Amino acid sequence: DAKTTQPTSMDCAEGRAANLPCNHSTISGNEYVYWYRQIHSQGPQYIIHGLKNNETNEMASLIITEDRKSSTLILPHATLRDTAVYYCTLTGSNDYKLSFGAGTTVTVRA
Amino acid sequence: EPEVTQTPSHQVTQMGQEVILRCVPISNHLYFYWYRQILGQKVEFLVSFYNNEISEKSEIFDDQFSVERPDGSNFTLKIRSTKLEDSAMYFCASSPGTSVYNEQFFGPGTRLTVL
Repeated sequence: DAKTTQPTSMDCAEGRAANLPCNHSTISGNEYVYWYRQIHSQGPQYIIHGLKNNETNEMASLIITEDRKSSTLILPHATLRDTAVYYCTLTGSNDYKLSFGAGTTVTVRA
Repeated sequence: EPEVTQTPSHQVTQMGQEVILRCVPISNHLYFYWYRQILGQKVEFLVSFYNNEISEKSEIFDDQFSVERPDGSNFTLKIRSTKLEDSAMYFCASSPGTSVYNEQFFGPGTRLTVL
């Protein structure tokens, strides 16, 4: 079972930032937070991951709270192509598999 | 940019028949995975494969399922006797394996329809 909780859905205006929350209150010390997305039944696509520091790459930023019990994925300038299901998941040092929950369905509107 | 490929994109079979789903992981990746997604449901882990053996499998991966890396490039999932409930999208993934924290790269999936 996924150890994260996410809102079921959210809308975002094109060109605006999209902030996707994720709660992981039972996260353990060696678990990383990973974000993937799935566009219309395609294979999931890696976005970003982090342990405790904030991370940024060309796709998104990841903000992890100091207690690590929650995080936020930020898509800085959402486009219509960012419409997808976004998954927040945890992976630890002894756990190679990804456990996906229901994710957040993000709809970017023009 | 290297990518994971899967064939066929869509497979239709009769219940009880054997199917083999094929995947070509990214070259030089060391860890290989199969996941499935029943229509409208979440993506579920099936099995992980490393160093020519299964490293972890889920409850779904019963005796009807098997995986193989027959040569240096292909990674296959075999379902011995398909059931109606095996109808799903099957995704192959690979990761570099240099760290357990490496991201996984997914293929486009094979849609399996069991009639």
